[in-house]
Amino acid sequence: SQTIHQWPATLVQPVGSPLSLECTVEGTSNPNLYWYRQAAGRGLQLLFYSVGIGQISSEVPQNLSASRPQDRQFILSSKKLLLSDSGFYLCAWTGTGGLETQYFGPGTRLLVL
Amino acid sequence: SQQGEEDPQALSIQEGENATMNCSYKTSINNLQWYRQNSGRGLVHLILIRSNEREKHSGRLRVTLDTSKKSSSLLITASRAADTASYFCATEEYGGATNKLIFGTGTLLAVQP
Repeated sequence: SQTIHQWPATLVQPVGSPLSLECTVEGTSNPNLYWYRQAAGRGLQLLFYSVGIGQISSEVPQNLSASRPQDRQFILSSKKLLLSDSGFYLCAWTGTGGLETQYFGPGTRLLVL
Repeated sequence: SQQGEEDPQALSIQEGENATMNCSYKTSINNLQWYRQNSGRGLVHLILIRSNEREKHSGRLRVTLDTSKKSSSLLITASRAADTASYFCATEEYGGATNKLIFGTGTLLAVQP
């Protein structure tokens, strides 16, 4: 069966520090991968999605970037964190046969101080 | 901006009562999905309804879709304390070429024992 992992689960970082969040998927090949951010008590904001290795679509211009170095690995990065980057970051995947269901990871809670 | 808007934003009911949440969207869609999120966790897919369907059932869940009004409702019957969570609708735009879902703002449901 398929599983999706995210780490770390919680992260506290100072303003101006770099960021690297990792997401990996097991049990499937060539998934579509997604990064979302969720502010406290709010809906999901799509940040990036990828349909294949090295293919990244950016939804919101900001100081974050994403990379997909391997088929089942999706990384969210920043060179310098802002206070406004605090939030709950969720990774998700779907199959490529059609956009039916998105499967979400457990999330990473990021607090920028 | 997000395509889906849910109302109410928050709903508090007693165990055994029914809970109804509504979702409105803006553009033509291929399908509409409902997800559940427990506090601090990832989202879990509940049910999908296609644009050519009007009603769908899954256990205690009943979803309706009115494409003329661009709206959907999620009914949870005989609610339980364990149903306490946030509920989100998500839509795939007609054509599906975007490979992405647009999530609503969510309804926070609290079921009092």
